[in-house]
Amino acid sequence: AQSVTQPDIHITVSEGASLELRCNYSYGATPYLFWYVQSPGQGLQLLLKYFSGDTLVQGIKGFEAEFKRSQSSFNLRKPSVHWSDAAEYFCAVGPTGGGNKLTFGTGTQLKVEL
Amino acid sequence: EPEVTQTPSHQVTQMGQEVILRCVPISNHLYFYWYRQILGQKVEFLVSFYNNEISEKSEIFDDQFSVERPDGSNFTLKIRSTKLEDSAMYFCASSLQGARETEAFFGQGTRLTVV
Repeated sequence: AQSVTQPDIHITVSEGASLELRCNYSYGATPYLFWYVQSPGQGLQLLLKYFSGDTLVQGIKGFEAEFKRSQSSFNLRKPSVHWSDAAEYFCAVGPTGGGNKLTFGTGTQLKVEL
Repeated sequence: EPEVTQTPSHQVTQMGQEVILRCVPISNHLYFYWYRQILGQKVEFLVSFYNNEISEKSEIFDDQFSVERPDGSNFTLKIRSTKLEDSAMYFCASSLQGARETEAFFGQGTRLTVV
């Protein structure tokens, strides 16, 4: 069965600092990978996705992620964090076979210090 | 920009009562989903719906749960007899095609509190 691990439950960074949020997945075939962000009182918003092709994908709000098959990772990065980036970030994988199910990680809560 | 809307944003209900959570998916989308997130836990898949029938469901989605698309715009999740452990944030999502081809757009969620 597919699974997603986000090892960091909470991360605090200073505004302007770089950010990397970790995501590891377990899946037998080439995965479909996603990063979603949830701001307080908001729904889940897609930041970026990887289906195939270039392993470095660019997303909205200045985020990027790199798919590394050898490490089963899809880490999210941003060179310079803004206070408005404070939110919860979810990595997701899927779906398998003919299904439509996304499997989410437990999320990483990002706090930005001014 | 089109969006998925969910109502209500917060619902409190007594244990054993029936609740209906409502969602208006993006108008030209064909696939619909419900997910839930118990506080402090992962976002979990409940069910997907296509062509007026359930296409996939998780083990969580037992006989207490049902989904319906009663008209051309709404997509509802009904919990027949709520339990304390049903307290969670419930997310509706929709996609133009299956989740392997296109992204799913999520609503802002309904927080269900069972007391």
